[in-house]
Parts: sequence; structure tokens; C-alpha cells
Amino acid sequence: GQNIDQPTEMTATEGAIVQINCTYQTSGFNGLFWYQQHAGEAPTFLSYNVLDGLEEKGRFSSFLSRSKGYSYLLLKELQMKDSASYLCAVREGMDSNYQLIWGAGTKLIIKP
Amino acid sequence: NAGVTQTPKFRVLKTGQSMTLLCAQDMNHEYMYWYRQDPGMGLRLIHYSVGEGTTAKGEVPDGYNVSRLKKQNFLLGLESAAPSQTSVYFCASIEGGPPYNEQFFGPGTRLTVL
Repeated sequence: GQNIDQPTEMTATEGAIVQINCTYQTSGFNGLFWYQQHAGEAPTFLSYNVLDGLEEKGRFSSFLSRSKGYSYLLLKELQMKDSASYLCAVREGMDSNYQLIWGAGTKLIIKP
Repeated sequence: NAGVTQTPKFRVLKTGQSMTLLCAQDMNHEYMYWYRQDPGMGLRLIHYSVGEGTTAKGEVPDGYNVSRLKKQNFLLGLESAAPSQTSVYFCASIEGGPPYNEQFFGPGTRLTVL
């Protein structure tokens, strides 16, 4: 079956580094996405990985291992505004409808 | 350029009432999606559309209907609302096939069914 697992909640300190893990079991794989969602707001796109390795974008990096069904989102130099939920999503198929399977999200709490 | 907009932002319904949620995008995107988001669960796809005049069922389509008569609009209808449909509803769009990947989301509609 389809399953995406993320920790429910994490706490980190302002200025520190945090790693949010995502493991997936899906019938196919055609890319993994990370989205950020502040409370009461819509998700916004952070990153996309389709090949193994690390993708870096400013303070945020995302890593993918397809053989392990594993990804992580790395946030550096944490700021209070990074307090949000982080959603992991997998696109299964090669077809054109671009459906995503979503994890339940990890709520990240940043403390001063 | 407003992006993706949704109306209404909030709504309270009584069991059995009907309503339509409107999603509009001004980015000329081909694909549009309706999700619901419930506490402790991931976004779940209700229905989606890959172009004007086409719709398809997602993971949780029961109790909902959709229409895409114009490319820029995607309507979600609840014919007879039930308390289980209390949720936050998000609309999203994506430009089209590869290399486009980012889904753009509307601000959401918070629906309560009493």
C-alpha cells in the first residue's frame, strides 16, 4: 500500500540546524516534494527531488535515497519564522495527472 | 496576478444543505486539484482536472462533485453536507507536464457542518 511517514512534531532552537525525515512506501516513484505550511495558511513549495542526492536552496536542503525510500529536509540557521508544518509528498506515476500522496506533516516548533 | 483564489473563506452549513466552493486561477494552468485537510492526516485528493471540460476522481470523492467549464475555474460541490465533511478545503493548480512541478495552492476554505 501507499504510506508516507514523518515525525508528528519536532522542537529546535533558533540559530540551530534541524533535520526532518520522511520515509515512503509507494507503488511507484516519480519525485518527492517538500512543502511548508504556516498555521492557518496554504502549503508553499520548498523543494523537489527525483534523483538521489542533495539539493540545496539557501538555508534549506533536501536529500533523497530512492533505494531506501527515504528523504530528509535540512533547515540551517533556524529563524522563528521557520515555525511551521513541513509536508512530504510523493508523486507515484509517470502519467500526466500529477497526483501526489501526502504525509501528515511535521510540526516544527522553534524556541528562542 | 492573484494566483489561486478560493471563495468563500469560511462557511458553516447544517447537515443536508448544499454549497459550491469556487477556485479560480489566473496563471493559465492546465491541472487543478481539490484537497481536504484534516488534523493528523495528510492532504487527501478529492477530485482533479487535467484540462477544461475534464474531471476525475481522487482518493476521497464520495459526497462531492466538480466541474471545470472554464480553464481558470474549478468548482467543488457538496450536494448534501454531512458532519464528516467538516474540514479545510484547498484548491491547487500546476502549469502542466514536465518540467513543471510546483503546485500552487489557494488560501483554503474552512467548512463546518453542524
